Amino acid sequence: GAGVSQSPSNKVTEKGKDVELRCDPISGHTALYWYRQSLGQGLEFLIYFQGNSAPDKSGLPSDRFSAERTGGSVSTLTIQRTQQEDSAVYLCASSLAANTGELFFGEGSRLTVL
Amino acid sequence: AQSVTQLDSHVSVSEGTPVLLRCNYSSSYSPSLFWYVQHPNKGLQLLLKYTSAATLVKGINGFEAEFKKSETSFHLTKPSAHMSDAAEYFCVVNPNTGNQFYFGTGTSLTVIP
Repeated sequence: GAGVSQSPSNKVTEKGKDVELRCDPISGHTALYWYRQSLGQGLEFLIYFQGNSAPDKSGLPSDRFSAERTGGSVSTLTIQRTQQEDSAVYLCASSLAANTGELFFGEGSRLTVL
Repeated sequence: AQSVTQLDSHVSVSEGTPVLLRCNYSSSYSPSLFWYVQHPNKGLQLLLKYTSAATLVKGINGFEAEFKKSETSFHLTKPSAHMSDAAEYFCVVNPNTGNQFYFGTGTSLTVIP
């Protein structure tokens, strides 16, 4: 596609439910990043993929969070047993390759946990 | 260690007056530096980037930034603010040693008509 696509754009869920957030990066971009942006906060790094592998998972806040990427393209971020503190906007970005300098962002998935 | 400090969480200017958004960084290496803009309910968009070429970098929408190594600064400026410039601005450092991008906490720019 022309840009990074994320879905759903908005998700409201009940505490304890699992959610899946999807990111479709720009075609040909090998690097993919997930960030979390809480209200009034900066961006918190979650995880980075190079191709299908995730050399850096250091930002995942707990073992309830996981992510995968298949075919070097689409990535899914899964949050299990959601908590209210998981409410945030989850941003995905892709880059032509790691360290090429420019990140292209999607518009984010806004998650609200009731 | 790498870090980014945006010195002002909020900046308010009148339309037509200059904009200055301040950013200081620390990096053990020769970094790449970026400014991104985020309009409400939108993703982040690249304004400009410094990657060890010219120290004065021009970006989109009339913005520019100057890399000053001696001051470890990369302040964003614009001669004349427009209402459409109202947004959140993020300064970002990539130390060029791995995959990591370090984001500042953002500066919210308000433009008063």
